[in-house]
Amino acid sequence: AQSVAQPEDQVNVAEGNPLTVKCTYSVSGNPYLFWYVQYPNRGLQFLLKYITGDNLVKGSYGFEAEFNKSQTSFHLKKPSALVSDSALYFCWVQGGKLIFGQGTELSVKP
Amino acid sequence: GAGVSQTPSNKVTEKGKYVELRCDPISGHTALYWYRQSLGQGPEFLIYFQGTGAADDSGLPNDRFFAVRPEGSVSTLKIQRTERGDSAMYLCASSLRGRGSVYNEQFFGPGTRLTVL
Repeated sequence: AQSVAQPEDQVNVAEGNPLTVKCTYSVSGNPYLFWYVQYPNRGLQFLLKYITGDNLVKGSYGFEAEFNKSQTSFHLKKPSALVSDSALYFCWVQGGKLIFGQGTELSVKP
Repeated sequence: GAGVSQTPSNKVTEKGKYVELRCDPISGHTALYWYRQSLGQGPEFLIYFQGTGAADDSGLPNDRFFAVRPEGSVSTLKIQRTERGDSAMYLCASSLRGRGSVYNEQFFGPGTRLTVL
């Protein structure tokens, strides 16, 4: 069965520090992988995607993600967190099905 | 409009009633998706349209749920005999092309919050 896991419900980071939001998946074939962000009272916004090619993809707002086929992971990263990055982050997989992870709440403190 | 719009933004109804939720996708986007998001959960796929046809309706929970997209643009999600468990945020998204295409990032609307009393 296909699945997406975001093992951390919440990630707390100090402003200026690097951040990582984890995602692992289990799908058949070669999936398309996405990260979306949801700010309070706002719709989901696309951050970045991996289709093929370079394993490190860069996206909006300084975020990047690394596709690791052997570990079936697609962790979201940012070198220096901002308070304004505080939001709910969803990993999303397009395989045979469209599956969102459960979400990770990122809290960046000044 | 520039983005995906959904109406109404909020809908309160009574158990057993019929409701319709509307989605206006971005102009030119051939693919349209409906999701349901409960509090504290990720969006759950309901149905995917490619043009006018439902390419994948495997996420619809039961036959009380139905969706149409008669002209390949606006879509309506219809829920019959609503139950309290249907209460959730219903999200619509559109993408330039559908599944399998590299032009497949989805743009989401703000959602319709459905409350069934």
